[in-house]
Amino acid sequence: AQSVTQLGSHVSVSEGALVLLRCNYSSSVPPYLFWYVQYPNQGLQLLLKYTSAATLVKGINGFEAEFKKSETSFHLTKPSAHMSDAAEYFCAVKPSGGYNKLIFGAGTRLAVHP
Amino acid sequence: DVKVTQSSRYLVKRTGEKVFLECVQDMDHENMFWYRQDPGLGLRLIYFSYDVKMKEKGDIPEGYSVSREKKERFSLILESASTNQTSMYLCASSSVSGRAVNEQFFGPGTRLTVL
Repeated sequence: AQSVTQLGSHVSVSEGALVLLRCNYSSSVPPYLFWYVQYPNQGLQLLLKYTSAATLVKGINGFEAEFKKSETSFHLTKPSAHMSDAAEYFCAVKPSGGYNKLIFGAGTRLAVHP
Repeated sequence: DVKVTQSSRYLVKRTGEKVFLECVQDMDHENMFWYRQDPGLGLRLIYFSYDVKMKEKGDIPEGYSVSREKKERFSLILESASTNQTSMYLCASSSVSGRAVNEQFFGPGTRLTVL
């Protein structure tokens, strides 16, 4: 069965520092991968998705993620954190098969301090 | 602007009550999903629907049922609420377009407390 592991349930960075949120997946076939963000008291919003085109995917709000097949990873990065980036981030994989079902990781809560 | 709405943001119910959570999307999407979100567990799929009156169980369907009588509306039903169903419930929808993998759009969530 396919699964997603997010390393680190909490990450804290200083404003202006690099943001790195880790995601590893298990899949026997090339996967489709997603990063979603959840701001306090809101639903999830898509940041970016990988669908087997370019391995470096750019998303909204300056985030990007790189698909590395050899490492089965899809880490999310942002060069310079803003206070407004404080939120919970979820990595997800679409299993093989239909209906666009997603399997989500446990989430990483990002804190940004001045 | 795409929109998924959920009938309540906060709900408090008593053990044994029948609970209805409603979700409406205005994007004419074929697929709709119900998840529950718990700290440290991420989102877990309860049920999904790929067409009107069609449904499939997700990973944790026990204690829940669903109804989809119209394309835009997907209801989650807790037949007899229990305290372990206290959680955040998220509804989502997505379109179907050939072999494309389309994103899911989420509602704001309903925080249900069962006393």
